Amino acid sequence: GAGVSQTPSNKVTEKGKYVELRCDPISGHTALYWYRQSLGQGPEFLIYFQGTGAADDSGLPNDRFFAVRPEGSVSTLKIQRTERGDSAVYLCASSLMGASNSPLHFGNGTRLTVT
Amino acid sequence: SQKIEQNSEALNIQEGKTATLTCNYTNYSPAYLQWYRQDPGRGPVFLLLIRENEKEKRKERLKVTFDTTLKQSLFHITASQPADSATYLCALGGYNNNDMRFGAGTRLTVKP
Repeated sequence: GAGVSQTPSNKVTEKGKYVELRCDPISGHTALYWYRQSLGQGPEFLIYFQGTGAADDSGLPNDRFFAVRPEGSVSTLKIQRTERGDSAVYLCASSLMGASNSPLHFGNGTRLTVT
Repeated sequence: SQKIEQNSEALNIQEGKTATLTCNYTNYSPAYLQWYRQDPGRGPVFLLLIRENEKEKRKERLKVTFDTTLKQSLFHITASQPADSATYLCALGGYNNNDMRFGAGTRLTVKP
C-alpha cells in the first residue's frame, strides 16, 4: 500500500512569506507527527496529533508555526513570516496507534529553503 | 535538560565485522526506545523497538540492548555489508505520551 506522502518535495520561498506543507499519512493511522531536520542533526520533534487533536505541540518553536489535522487524516504544517533559520527538511510520520506501541512511518520530507 | 547522545558522528568498519553504535541519555526515563535507519534524501525507516523491561531484542543480523541503569542502548549489526552504510538514529519515548525524541544519529560506512 501507499506510504506517507509529503508535498511539495521541495519549496523555495522568500523571507517573510507564508508556506504550507502537506502530509498524507498511511490510511488508518491515528497518530501523526511532524519533525524538522537540519543537516547533520536528528529529527527535532514539533507536534504530535492523535486523531484530529494536537496531543503535544510543545516542540513548535514559536507562534509562527501552526499545524492542523481537521479530519484526522491529512495534516498541514503552516509557517508564517518565514525566516532563513526555518530552512530545513520537514518530516512527517504516521503511526497506527502511537509510537509507544507501533513504529513511525516517515515520508521523505519537504526540503524548505528560505532565501 | 533531557539529552540523547549518539557517541560518534561517524563510524567506519570493514565488511564482515560487527558494527556497534551507542545511544546514551540523561535526565530521561524512557518507557521504550526505537532504532531507525536513514539514507540520504530519505525519511528514517524503523528497525527495532525495545521496551524498558526488555534487555535485548534481535532481528536477523541486528541486535539491540537496553540498560536502564547505565541509561544506554547498544545497536549491533553483525556480518556487516556495504549496503548497511547509512545513518542510524535512536529515539526515546515516555510513559504517558507518544511523542518521541531522536538523537543526532551515527553515520556508518562499511567498506568492502
